[in-house]
Amino acid sequence: DIVMTQTPLSSPVTLGQPASISCRSSQSLVHSDGNTYLSWLQQRPGQPPRLLIYKIFNRFSGVPDRFSGSGAGTDFTLKISRVEIEDVGVYYCMQATQFPLTFGQGTRLEIK
Amino acid sequence: QLQESGPGLVKPSETLSLTCTVSGGSINSGRYYWDWIRQPPGKGLDWIGSISHRGTTRYNPSLKSRVTMSVDTSKNKFSLRLGSVTAADTALYYCARRLVVVPDAVSWGRGAMVTVSS
Repeated sequence: DIVMTQTPLSSPVTLGQPASISCRSSQSLVHSDGNTYLSWLQQRPGQPPRLLIYKIFNRFSGVPDRFSGSGAGTDFTLKISRVEIEDVGVYYCMQATQFPLTFGQGTRLEIK
Repeated sequence: QLQESGPGLVKPSETLSLTCTVSGGSINSGRYYWDWIRQPPGKGLDWIGSISHRGTTRYNPSLKSRVTMSVDTSKNKFSLRLGSVTAADTALYYCARRLVVVPDAVSWGRGAMVTVSS
């Protein structure tokens, strides 16, 4: 299985300041079709996960442009340019390049 | 939309059964994989398996011996059965769909809590 490792596991951030979450995979996420199937999910308290970013950097419909994704191969990053109160929750990276699909442990974003 | 349904309480050693009703689109479109993912209380996400509209399945090897997924295109539903459950199977169970052409683009149901207890 591909192991997904996120850092940090907890991120206290001041409102209006940027935040960054890293995700590293135990092997390359480049699929044989040339695509990299790495997505980012947000889970607000008491809610199901919500897709933010797919294929490394593509924002899903309705996702604010303060969210951005980057990376390649085994190293990926989710950035929030200016954190808002509604961004509080747990963020997961997920790979769908290889079965079984696997997730990072989650990073808890909280407001200082 | 995706809506999970099924018993909220299952006894140890018995079989957990959940159904996901799909609305706003047809399972038969062939555009999606249909997945089950679970989240133990206070913990992270575990992928259980996927099924296509044709009934082709992929299961997580960690659960493969106990999992069966099926699809009923006439009712626009798909189902999960997990046998020989223990307390470790207590979790929030989500049904989800992933685009075939973009398999990391996941849309989620609201989730159904299942507790394994006697």
